[in-house]
Amino acid sequence: GIQVEQSPPDLILQEGANSTLRCNFSDSVNNLQWFHQNPWGQLINLFYIPSGTKQNGRLSATTVATERYSLLYISSSQTTDSGVYFCAVGTSGGGTSYGKLTFGQGTILTVHP
Amino acid sequence: NAGVTQTPKFQVLKTGQSMTLQCAQDMNHNSMYWYRQDPGMGLRLIYYSASEGTTDKGEVPNGYNVSRLNKREFSLRLESAAPSQTSVYFCASSQLAGSRNEQFFGPGTRLTVL
Repeated sequence: GIQVEQSPPDLILQEGANSTLRCNFSDSVNNLQWFHQNPWGQLINLFYIPSGTKQNGRLSATTVATERYSLLYISSSQTTDSGVYFCAVGTSGGGTSYGKLTFGQGTILTVHP
Repeated sequence: NAGVTQTPKFQVLKTGQSMTLQCAQDMNHNSMYWYRQDPGMGLRLIYYSASEGTTDKGEVPNGYNVSRLNKREFSLRLESAAPSQTSVYFCASSQLAGSRNEQFFGPGTRLTVL
């Protein structure tokens, strides 16, 4: 199956700093999502980005599907950005892969005031 | 528009007890999923339902059964709970259309099996 690796595993920032999170995947995908899991455990959709670049406020993401990686940029970080960031990839092919998302291990982000 | 809802939020069971986790979505999505999350790990797929009337095994199906009750509801049953099933369970839904499969998650059920 598809392997998903996220880096770094942990990241500690001061409020106001910028950061880049990376997601590498081992095979071609046609689905890629970034999630933020907040300290209460809720999974929040950040981006659906199987290719290209998107921006939403202080967050942006880029996926280079041909090189099998995606980047999540967080600018001017705030304490509320703390939590775990997950990358998840998948295909919409048939058989056992149908609709399945494979998650990376996540990046734990801590933003200090 | 509540999105994906799950009940209960928390549950403690004794080994061997049974229970059903409920999930409902109001987004008119055709596909629904059950995942589990264990400490320090991402989510792993237990079962999914690509459309009403169909269910299929995911990555870790042993010890679980599912029912797609209708288009809105997808339940997960533990027939005889084991401590290894202590986990946080997430339900998700998506409108699977062509290659697009953006999934939306419920708030989770935290299950402890003693």
